Amino acid sequence: EAQVTQNPRYLITVTGKKLTVTCSQNMNHEYMSWYRQDPGLGLRQIYYSMNVEVTDKGDVPEGYKVSRKEKRNFPLILESPSPNQTSLYFCASRPEGPRYNEQFFGPGTRLTVL
Amino acid sequence: KQEVTQIPAALSVPEGENLVLNCSFTDSAIYNLQWFRQDPGKGLTSLLLIQSSQREQTSGRLNASLDKSSGRSTLYIAASQPGDSATYLCAVTPYSGSARQLTFGSGTQLTVLP
Repeated sequence: EAQVTQNPRYLITVTGKKLTVTCSQNMNHEYMSWYRQDPGLGLRQIYYSMNVEVTDKGDVPEGYKVSRKEKRNFPLILESPSPNQTSLYFCASRPEGPRYNEQFFGPGTRLTVL
Repeated sequence: KQEVTQIPAALSVPEGENLVLNCSFTDSAIYNLQWFRQDPGKGLTSLLLIQSSQREQTSGRLNASLDKSSGRSTLYIAASQPGDSATYLCAVTPYSGSARQLTFGSGTQLTVLP
């Protein structure tokens, strides 16, 4: 089954404790991205990757890191989480190409930073 | 900067009614527009994608239209059912920029009453 998976689905942590949210897709998509969703602000892009070893900042990259060592994986790293990073996080992927086809989203990771 | 607005923010209708959700965007230079459904605590499911050259797309009881010149899209749901209750998001892919990132509206929360 074609899908985007994220782990963990739920996470409660404390300020300053490094964490990683994993994202994996099995569709051989080139493009992957991370979004956060907050009430009243909608979904905002954090980072994106056009392909292996190619990443760039989205609209709200502060406090986050990403890496793309393999095509299928795109982990989101919070080196020193803070309470304002409490949010619902989504990973997404799509194929590259002139038609910029639909994006596929993971199930989300609800993060609470105390 | 592209802005996407969805009105109304919330909508409650009795089962069986036909309904229209609205989405407007400020920059008409888009590749495509996508409608998503989001269930509470779940990820985003793509419903319909309309390429910029298209006027509408249909899937079952759903019909989405696109009027690029006026910066508007509508999602028409026929014969609504309680299972249609969810938040509906529209998102546009811009024509310019390397990221081709989606810009989302804040969503319309739909409740279909049995």
